[in-house]
Order: sequence, then C-alpha cells, then structure tokens
Amino acid sequence: QVQLVESGGGVVQPGRSLRLSCAASGFTFIHYGMYWVRQAPGKGLEWVTFIWYDGNNEYYADSVKGRFTVSRDNSKNTLYLQMNSLRVEDTAVYYCARDPLGSGSYIDSWGQGTRVTVSS
Amino acid sequence: QSALTQPPSASGSPGQSVTISCTGTSSDVGFYNYVSWYQQHPGKAPKLMTYDVNKRPSGVPDRFSGSKSGNTASLTVSGLQAEDEADYYCSSYAGSNIVFGGGTKLTVL
Repeated sequence: QVQLVESGGGVVQPGRSLRLSCAASGFTFIHYGMYWVRQAPGKGLEWVTFIWYDGNNEYYADSVKGRFTVSRDNSKNTLYLQMNSLRVEDTAVYYCARDPLGSGSYIDSWGQGTRVTVSS
Repeated sequence: QSALTQPPSASGSPGQSVTISCTGTSSDVGFYNYVSWYQQHPGKAPKLMTYDVNKRPSGVPDRFSGSKSGNTASLTVSGLQAEDEADYYCSSYAGSNIVFGGGTKLTVL
C-alpha cells in the first residue's frame, strides 16, 4: 500500500535551517507529482510547494518563496524540503502528499506529518 | 494566493443532510474543474473525499458528493453519521499554485 513517511522535523531557532525528508513506498514514485502542505497549530491547511513527477517544475507559496526549496531523488524514492531563514510563523506540522495526475490537481495520499517548531 | 472562503462551522442531526460551501474566484474554482475536498479528524492526516469537483475515490461512501456553480463549490454530506464529525477543507488548482479553504468544522448534533 502507499506509504509516505516524513522525517527531519524538530525545534529550531529563527533564522536557522532544517531539511525535511519524505520516504515513499508502495507505488512508482517517479510517476507522481508531490506536495508539501503544512498546518500551523489550530489552523487550516496551507499549500507550501509542489514538484512535478520528473522534478523539472516547482511551484511555491508566496509565504515561502525564496526561503524553501523542494527537490526529489527518484532513485531513492524520496522527497525533500530544504527550509532556510526559518521564521516563527513557519511553525507547523508538515505533510508530504501525492498527486496522482502529477500536475497539481488533487492529493490522494498523505503522510502522517512531521512537526517543525521555530522558537528562540 | 488568497485562501478559498468556507464557513467556519456547520452542523446537522444524524440522518440529515448538510452542505458546506467553498467560494473562490474566476482564477481558481471558477476556471478549473480541479476542486477537491478533504476530511480531517483531530490529530490525523487529511483524507480525500471528492476530487475533480464531483468524483469520489473508491472507499468513500456515496453520502459524500461534490458540485460547483460558478466560483462556488459545495460538499454535501447526506445521511449524517457520528463519524462524519470532522474538519473539512476544499482545495482548488489555480494555475501555478494550489489554494485551500480555511476549513469548516462539521458537528453532528
């Protein structure tokens, strides 16, 4: 079955960096577009970034553009999110998610999330 | 990249029907038929309930149905059951980005 397992979350000071990983299994990773979606404590879902199945196109929310970078290693079935210049408002649970059409249409599978806390 | 607008809360008694609205613009909901709805129980990951406006993934009960008119999409839950109590989020493709609604807390009275 489809499995998405996030890791790399933790507590970090403002201005520092963190890299999240998402290990995918149970499906042919290279065939799918992938998202990062976050949810601040007690708040709703916020789209962060989307990367095409082949890694050739990436899109970012304005709130993270220029600070976050999404990438994928299709040989390792792994999605990454490099987060730089972190701010208190980046505190959230970060979900890795799969797009079956590879073009940003909808999400059919979600990971369980990894918590990122930005605090001094 | 403005969020789609959802009512913060909705409620209904068991067996009743409830409709949750999701209002966007002519650049997202009104332009693309890529509207999806997600259910989220406390402490859990979201779950896809409908996609492409009105399609249902396998395993989702047919009590859940999606629709769209102009810039507003809707999710209708018929025959409400206790386990339907959750937060519901709409989402739409918007060209080079994806936008979510603020979420609606559905209470089964």
